[in-house]
Amino acid sequence: NAGVTQTPKFQVLKTGQSMTLQCAQDMNHEYMSWYRQDPGMGLRLIHYSVGAGITDQGEVPNGYNVSRSTTEDFPLRLLSAAPSQTSVYFCASSYGQGASNEKLFFGSGTQLSVL
Amino acid sequence: RKEVEQDPGPFNVPEGATVAFNCTYSNSASQSFFWYRQDCRKEPKLLMSVYSSGNEDGRFTAQLNRASQYISLLIRDSKLSDSATYLCVVNMPGAGSYQLTFGKGTKLSVIP
Repeated sequence: NAGVTQTPKFQVLKTGQSMTLQCAQDMNHEYMSWYRQDPGMGLRLIHYSVGAGITDQGEVPNGYNVSRSTTEDFPLRLLSAAPSQTSVYFCASSYGQGASNEKLFFGSGTQLSVL
Repeated sequence: RKEVEQDPGPFNVPEGATVAFNCTYSNSASQSFFWYRQDCRKEPKLLMSVYSSGNEDGRFTAQLNRASQYISLLIRDSKLSDSATYLCVVNMPGAGSYQLTFGKGTKLSVIP
């Protein structure tokens, strides 16, 4: 059981470049989300999805796009990378609402540097 | 007031010691509470959920105090392998579908 698979593990971009972080889960989870983690800031929610075809903004959505065409996949797109987007990105999934279903399973993270 | 607050530490404790962390939350309507563990440069992993009656898992005990709006994590007989950052996570209802809010974490170093 692979769980949450996130790629790439490392990425270096130049300002203005675009890229897509991939996230896939094989647990049939309805809820998927993207976080960024910066020193001293903790994990902050970028975008989330409660099911295929449904996405919503989190705390820090600017500069990022998402889509959820299937239950399994939830890619995060950086439209025009900026140095402020240098961070560690985590994808996470869960079954959904309710304390017993809210356990988040995380991908292994992507270290992104924007020069 | 920040939604979820934790003492960042670091807490430096000797092996075998007992250590406790607290986490305060601002939304009195919050219903779900968790402790996650994050090792350096790794993803967070669920350590335990926190139930109203308190719960224990081996050397770890979690408690919830709704009146004062805080949760706690107690680690007994600390091991070197307990060294990590411990994240407090709280559900914030009413934020447009449910969203879990993470504290910034408390760093624990267990010293030989």
